[in-house]
Amino acid sequence: EPEVTQTPSHQVTQMGQEVILRCVPISNHLYFYWYRQILGQKVEFLVSFYNNEISEKSEIFDDQFSVERPDGSNFTLKIRSTKLEDSAMYFCASVDRVAYEQYFGPGTRLTVT
Amino acid sequence: AQSVAQPEDQVNVAEGNPLTVKCTYSVSGNPYLFWYVQYPNRGLQFLLKYITGDNLVKGSYGFEAEFNKSQTSFHLKKPSALVSDSALYFCAVRGENRDDKIIFGKGTRLHILP
Repeated sequence: EPEVTQTPSHQVTQMGQEVILRCVPISNHLYFYWYRQILGQKVEFLVSFYNNEISEKSEIFDDQFSVERPDGSNFTLKIRSTKLEDSAMYFCASVDRVAYEQYFGPGTRLTVT
Repeated sequence: AQSVAQPEDQVNVAEGNPLTVKCTYSVSGNPYLFWYVQYPNRGLQFLLKYITGDNLVKGSYGFEAEFNKSQTSFHLKKPSALVSDSALYFCAVRGENRDDKIIFGKGTRLHILP
């Protein structure tokens, strides 16, 4: 069964550094999302992406964040200058065009020290 | 605006007893409702969804959920709990547009006591 994949599974970085989180959505999906979960807390929407542009973004998704689909398969989330409070699990998701179901990747745990 | 409420932070159930995890929602238009489970240090695992049709939806691992439009609820149930069901459960809702984001509840931690 096709699945969303994410790399790396765990990323440790120092405050102020740039990080890129990578996702490979399911191949025939058209809508892509990033969500964030601070440890043990609620899963929060960050951004949605369709047709090579952002459809919607939350207030969390400030100027430090950006998303890209550089090559038609990968979907990346970049944090330009990480802060301690960016430490969280980041989930990528893509939507099935028929069933409207969101398929989530396994997540990348980002630790900012 | 869409919202989801999970009124219980934690639910404790003895193994073998029935379990219920509560969820209410608010959405304009027809709701698309979901339950996800998260085991420690793992990702979000889809359990079941309600889009349309029968109000009782059956999902993975023996779970089911009942959609109640008048009460705007979508409670998760299982007739007989297993210790391995202990996890964090998230109710979620999205609107009927295909690109609508999912809004998650805050989660309910389910403890099944042996």
